[in-house]
Amino acid sequence: NAGVTQTPKFRVLKTGQSMTLLCAQDMNHEYMYWYRQDPGMGLRLIHYSVGEGTTAKGEVPDGYNVSRLKKQNFLLGLESAAPSQTSVYFCASSYDGTSGSWVETQYFGPGTRLLVL
Amino acid sequence: DQQVKQNSPSLSVQEGRISILNCDYTNSMFDYFLWYKKYPAEGPTFLISISSIKDKNEDGRFTVFLNKSAKHLSLHIVPSQPGDSAVYFCAASPVTGNQFYFGTGTSLTVIP
Repeated sequence: NAGVTQTPKFRVLKTGQSMTLLCAQDMNHEYMYWYRQDPGMGLRLIHYSVGEGTTAKGEVPDGYNVSRLKKQNFLLGLESAAPSQTSVYFCASSYDGTSGSWVETQYFGPGTRLLVL
Repeated sequence: DQQVKQNSPSLSVQEGRISILNCDYTNSMFDYFLWYKKYPAEGPTFLISISSIKDKNEDGRFTVFLNKSAKHLSLHIVPSQPGDSAVYFCAASPVTGNQFYFGTGTSLTVIP
């Protein structure tokens, strides 16, 4: 049981290049999330998915696209990278996102460090 | 605008003493609160949570207190251990939302 894995761990891009970050989870979780972490900003939600084939915007979605073609995978795409997208990207998953009687926790991947020059 | 705030970027505590980490929020619709712990080069890991119907939740050395009227929660670690040295994030989720809102984190250093 690997939990949440992210590929790649580190990447350097030039401005204008594109790339895709892959997140995979083997816990059969319905919900998946992409966050970015910047100094002094905490974690901010980029996009999330409540199930296979669905995606929704978070706090900071501009410049990113996502896809959830399979339940276990959540892809984050940068079509034209900008220096402002230099950050550490975390993927997370959870059973579902509704507050309720169950313990609502997100399981995070180890992060992808992206540098855009 | 930051809806969840951790106003202390860092905290140093002697081993064996109590660590108190604070978190404030502005959105009255938040009803579930969590604390995460993060070591360098790793993703955050869940530590403890509390629902808005409670004012206290304990798990071993960790206790979270919630003061809804003040929109304030705190994490107490007693006794603090060097292995507790990490960045701690508080997070909140609204009643009907699918989103978690995170604070900026507090870096805790426990001095042996």
